[in-house]
Amino acid sequence: GDSVTQMEGPVTLSEEAFLTINCTYTATGYPSLFWYVQYPGEGLQLLLKATKADDKGSNKGFEATYRKETTSFHLEKGSVQVSDSAVYFCALSGMDSSYKLIFGSGTRLLVRP
Amino acid sequence: AAGVIQSPRHLIKEKRETATLKCYPIPRHDTVYWYQQGPGQDPQFLISFYEKMQSDKGSIPDRFSAQQFSDYHSELNMSSLELGDSALYFCASSAGTVYEQYFGPGTRLTVT
Repeated sequence: GDSVTQMEGPVTLSEEAFLTINCTYTATGYPSLFWYVQYPGEGLQLLLKATKADDKGSNKGFEATYRKETTSFHLEKGSVQVSDSAVYFCALSGMDSSYKLIFGSGTRLLVRP
Repeated sequence: AAGVIQSPRHLIKEKRETATLKCYPIPRHDTVYWYQQGPGQDPQFLISFYEKMQSDKGSIPDRFSAQQFSDYHSELNMSSLELGDSALYFCASSAGTVYEQYFGPGTRLTVT
């Protein structure tokens, strides 16, 4: 079945460092890909998305490119801030009838001042 | 902008009791999804509804049932609660099944 694999955390960075969180997927067909962010004690917020190969999703300085050849959707940010500390989930929405989301295990990011 | 509303936000129940979680989707969204997130885990899909009909079912125990009403709100009914049911329960809504899902703040269920 469809699945998402994320790099394990926690990832600890200093403020203004470069961030990469790796995400790869296994799916039939052409899924849509998403990054969601969960701040402590809160729900899931959609960060960015891409619906077809070579699409680049971007929001709030975060970017991810849908790479079909490597089945990847890595999240990047050029300069992280303390406020970016959260758990980041990579997810896919497959081609089945309901388009339910399948999540990776999440990566906790801790940014230190 | 209006968001997905879930109630209650917190719920404490004892083993073998029942619980009802409610979800009010974003206006004009006709699709609702329920997810369960255990401590330190990723969200797992439970069940979804499109236009008041069940559209898909995931790893939802037989003790749980859900429905979507004519005003598109949804309720998740949980009976014979077990300690392992303690989790965050998220509802998400979308405008049709092909669009991105917007999540509510979740209901934290604690079973003692």
